[in-house]
Amino acid sequence: DAGVTQSPTHLIKTRGQQVTLRCSPKSGHDTVSWYQQALGQGPQFIFQYYEEEERQRGNFPDRFSGHQFPNYSSELNVNALLLGDSALYLCASSLGGTSSGANVLTFGAGSRLTVL
Amino acid sequence: AQKITQTQPGMFVQEKEAVTLDCTYDTSDPSYGLFWYKQPSSGEMIFLIYQGSYDQQNATEGRYSLNFQKARKSANLVISASQLGDSAMYFCAGVGFQKLVFGTGTRLLVSP
Repeated sequence: DAGVTQSPTHLIKTRGQQVTLRCSPKSGHDTVSWYQQALGQGPQFIFQYYEEEERQRGNFPDRFSGHQFPNYSSELNVNALLLGDSALYLCASSLGGTSSGANVLTFGAGSRLTVL
Repeated sequence: AQKITQTQPGMFVQEKEAVTLDCTYDTSDPSYGLFWYKQPSSGEMIFLIYQGSYDQQNATEGRYSLNFQKARKSANLVISASQLGDSAMYFCAGVGFQKLVFGTGTRLLVSP
């Protein structure tokens, strides 16, 4: 039973560039959430996708956008990269379009982005 | 708004001893839940334990137990019989209004 897979695992970009990160949810899950974890911090919620729509969004600028495909996989896009976007980007999947109750999120190992 | 506070940046414990990691929460959602996750150096967040706001009993999962005190708004994680493999970052997280909010984490080091 495959867990959450993310790609790429590491990447380096320069300021102003654009990046796309990919996530395949755990088998049987239909909801994908993205988190940004800066060094030494806890993960911060970016947004959540369910039924191919953005259901919720955290306090992130429009430079951060996403997409969910019919097979439930998801992409996170960041435009006009800033140095401060350097972080570990975590994808988490769950079932039923919610993170409430005991609906446990299953996390991937993350994509580590470095912006120079 | 919801806020999770972890005041211990780092904790040390000897192998086979118990350790308590602190977490306090603040939320206006009457129906909330609290999670603890472990993050080893590999980066993946590993679910440990969950406590719902209406649960009457404190949650337990093997060597992990959650000391849930509603009046104090605290949800401390207790790890019994620590093992070397328990060395990692530990995050408390709260879910309310459909969002999961994390604390800043506690780094636990288990020594032989």
